[in-house]
Amino acid sequence: AQSVTQLDSQVPVFEEAPVELRCNYSSSVSVYLFWYVQYPNQGLQLLLKYLSGSTLVKGINGFEAEFNKSQTSFHLRKPSVHISDTAEYFCAVKAGGTSYGKLTFGQGTILTVHP
Amino acid sequence: EAQVTQNPRYLITVTGKKLTVTCSQNMNHEYMSWYRQDPGLGLRQIYYSMNVEVTDKGDVPEGYKVSRKEKRNFPLILESPSPNQTSLYFCASSLFQGAGTDTQYFGPGTRLTVL
Repeated sequence: AQSVTQLDSQVPVFEEAPVELRCNYSSSVSVYLFWYVQYPNQGLQLLLKYLSGSTLVKGINGFEAEFNKSQTSFHLRKPSVHISDTAEYFCAVKAGGTSYGKLTFGQGTILTVHP
Repeated sequence: EAQVTQNPRYLITVTGKKLTVTCSQNMNHEYMSWYRQDPGLGLRQIYYSMNVEVTDKGDVPEGYKVSRKEKRNFPLILESPSPNQTSLYFCASSLFQGAGTDTQYFGPGTRLTVL
């Protein structure tokens, strides 16, 4: 079984500042990793995913994440945030192999961007 | 437009009154899933379906039923709702049987309140 821990429940930042949202996972098998974003009153939208290959993954809206196998982390970063990035962000993990699509989610991190 | 739709979007009901939340996708996806989202807990999987007439329990199936009689529809049934089922519910679908390289698409959510 796998689990995901998002280390910060809330992250307040000022507009144009950099941000990092932290995610650690545990799994006894290889994993695929995802970040989803949920804007207010909307469903989840995929930001980016790591399946294999380069450990630095670029996603939509200028976000990127780095897979670190030794530290079992998949932190999300953006060099300069906008007001429109205010949302809740979820890290998720899926075990490799025949896992039938089960995504295990972290608890979520609410990012609030202040002017 | 490719999408996952859910109805109703908001529902207030009373304990014990049977209800159904519908989910439909127009992408010919094989895999469909229901999640509930609760503050501080992220999303947890209730049930999933790998294809027509194939369903299985997720992490929190108690008090819920599902059926998959058609590929596009995956309704969630609460036979006797209780207040602890007050939550935000998401339906999701993906093309294949949840392979790691496959992306899950989420519906807009159904906010359920059980009094």
